[in-house]
Amino acid sequence: QQPVQSPQAVILREGEDAVINCSSSKALYSVHWYRQKHGEAPVFLMILLKGGEQKGHEKISASFNEKKQQSSLYLTASQLSYSGTYFCGTEPPSGGSYIPTFGRGTSLIVHP
Amino acid sequence: KAGVTQTPRYLIKTRGQQVTLSCSPISGHRSVSWYQQTPGQGLQFLFEYFSETQRNKGNFPGRFSGRQFSNSRSEMNVSTLELGDSALYLCASSRDGGNEQFFGPGTRLTVL
Repeated sequence: QQPVQSPQAVILREGEDAVINCSSSKALYSVHWYRQKHGEAPVFLMILLKGGEQKGHEKISASFNEKKQQSSLYLTASQLSYSGTYFCGTEPPSGGSYIPTFGRGTSLIVHP
Repeated sequence: KAGVTQTPRYLIKTRGQQVTLSCSPISGHRSVSWYQQTPGQGLQFLFEYFSETQRNKGNFPGRFSGRQFSNSRSEMNVSTLELGDSALYLCASSRDGGNEQFFGPGTRLTVL
């Protein structure tokens, strides 16, 4: 079952912050975050493993709450280059198998 | 370091035909995963190959198959094409699957 991302779309001005959430109805082993710009391939941002560790990539960070089966992506002081669609990919605990399921994406538009 | 390459970039086929897509991973990466991306279903995992063996498989019919060669290059085959197979097919490579994945530019398949 696909994880649910919210919100579906975010419009920001440069310098503003945003939070994108990813929730699953199933137990999770890991959460991956990707950004895809229009007409391009997805770019890996970070992976969070079971344990609640927060990761960071430039001014983008994420948290993973395995008890709540959800992850949040934090974009701080957004830049124009942050525009794109953000996907979360979730991986259930299935004995070492990697079978990710992806959210439908959150479209982020950053205006000057 | 060269990125993931996919060929061809664009393909037009008719229903009932079959198609083979190719993916060359980043040098040193042994895991290759394939994904289908459509506006309706989003990003969906097809399968993962590691050291010439299919390690994981998503929920797709048997018409979708793949293989990996000793040099880690991978091919994906779709037989008896249906209109619904029109999609962007992405492959991604990683050192050992599941962690940081690098996507190729994709093959845009149109089935008429």
